[in-house]
Amino acid sequence: DAGITQSPRYKITETGRQVTLMCHQTWSHSYMFWYRQDLGHGLRLIYYSAAADITDKGEVPDGYVVSRSKTENFPLTLESATRSQTSVYFCASKDRGMRDTEAFFGQGTRLTVV
Amino acid sequence: GESVGLHLPTLSVQEGDNSIINCAYSNSASDYFIWYKQESGKGPQFIIDIRSNMDKRQGQRVTVLLNKTVKHLSLQIAATQPGDSAVYFCAERDGNQFYFGTGTSLTVIP
Repeated sequence: DAGITQSPRYKITETGRQVTLMCHQTWSHSYMFWYRQDLGHGLRLIYYSAAADITDKGEVPDGYVVSRSKTENFPLTLESATRSQTSVYFCASKDRGMRDTEAFFGQGTRLTVV
Repeated sequence: GESVGLHLPTLSVQEGDNSIINCAYSNSASDYFIWYKQESGKGPQFIIDIRSNMDKRQGQRVTVLLNKTVKHLSLQIAATQPGDSAVYFCAERDGNQFYFGTGTSLTVIP
């Protein structure tokens, strides 16, 4: 199916474990983004990527690692999960020349770190 | 850091009435603003945007007003419908970075 999909939708992990959240888009959009959404903070940008093999830090990158070996995938890895990383994570994509308003968001991954 | 906040965390309106959702921003250098709608269990969806050189922009049943003097943004929804029930939040752009508000939960009472 065309679109942007995140997996898993829900994840519970233990403190200290590594966990990877997946994001896949079928449009070959150049830009991909990872946000976290927390009560009282709104969406905050973790990392973004302008193209394959190009990634940049956002507002809250600490504790996260990303990669972009293929245009369609943008996995987000928590190398050693902490309780403060309990959040809802959203992936988004847009293509060059597209307005920011035309970015498409995935349905989110709710991550709980216990 | 940036500060984008909403005056009211929750809002309940009667079906058919108009809704007004407010947003305060702190960065006078922000040049672009967006309103998003987020339904439960879904990602944000774009509603309407406005550039800092505008005071008002209208869409279908929605109007965004920008008051740069007091750094205030509002979203007006005309003839609110049950399908409008969602969390609404604003975002401001400063350079290449977007900063998002915390959201107002709108409930439409049938």
